Amino acid sequence: DAKTTQPPSMDCAEGRAANLPCNHSTISGNEYVYWYRQIHSQGPQYIIHGLKNNETNEMASLIITEDRKSSTLILPHATLRDTAVYYCIVGRGGTSYGKLTFGQGTILTVHP
Amino acid sequence: DAGVIQSPRHEVTEMGQEVTLRCKPISGHNSLFWYRQTMMRGLELLIYFNNNVPIDDSGMPEDRFSAKMPNASFSTLKIQPSEPRDSAVYFCASSPSGPSTDTQYFGPGTRLTVL
Repeated sequence: DAKTTQPPSMDCAEGRAANLPCNHSTISGNEYVYWYRQIHSQGPQYIIHGLKNNETNEMASLIITEDRKSSTLILPHATLRDTAVYYCIVGRGGTSYGKLTFGQGTILTVHP
Repeated sequence: DAGVIQSPRHEVTEMGQEVTLRCKPISGHNSLFWYRQTMMRGLELLIYFNNNVPIDDSGMPEDRFSAKMPNASFSTLKIQPSEPRDSAVYFCASSPSGPSTDTQYFGPGTRLTVL
């Protein structure tokens, strides 16, 4: 599976958009981009995933570049409860074995 | 929906003792995963089951670790004998079959301390 690169930490003001980048330059054609987050002392939580089109759900938006070598997770109106470690993961998805390899992620701190 | 249920939430034991962690996946999910998280190594996949059958146990650290899934609604992770380096948070996750196999739903975890 392709590896991902994320900044170790980011800050965001409450109410502003949080834009979390991820590089996955070795992604292959059948691999999806997944985002999970882990709030302190809790299990990881699925946020969103995509293949090549931009995606949006009630939690966030995912923007994938045309060459698919990078993506950005957008939390449109960050709140203090969004403070967490955010993981960008590349996985095969589909009907194949859904193995996810978690890296170190980005620690997002939302401040008042 | 109750989500993934894990028990116990906290376990403190002494070196050499047997430890059994339990997991109840979300009803209807076909895949179950056991992970371990430490500060040093992050979140690691230990073993993966599909339709109650172990598919990939390459992440199981040693023979001291074993996992079973006797039916679709229950799984156990056993450590025998336990060692201090096994201290970690152990997460169980489940996912549905089909196109969303990588959408995993995690339980709250079991914090294991081996003295």
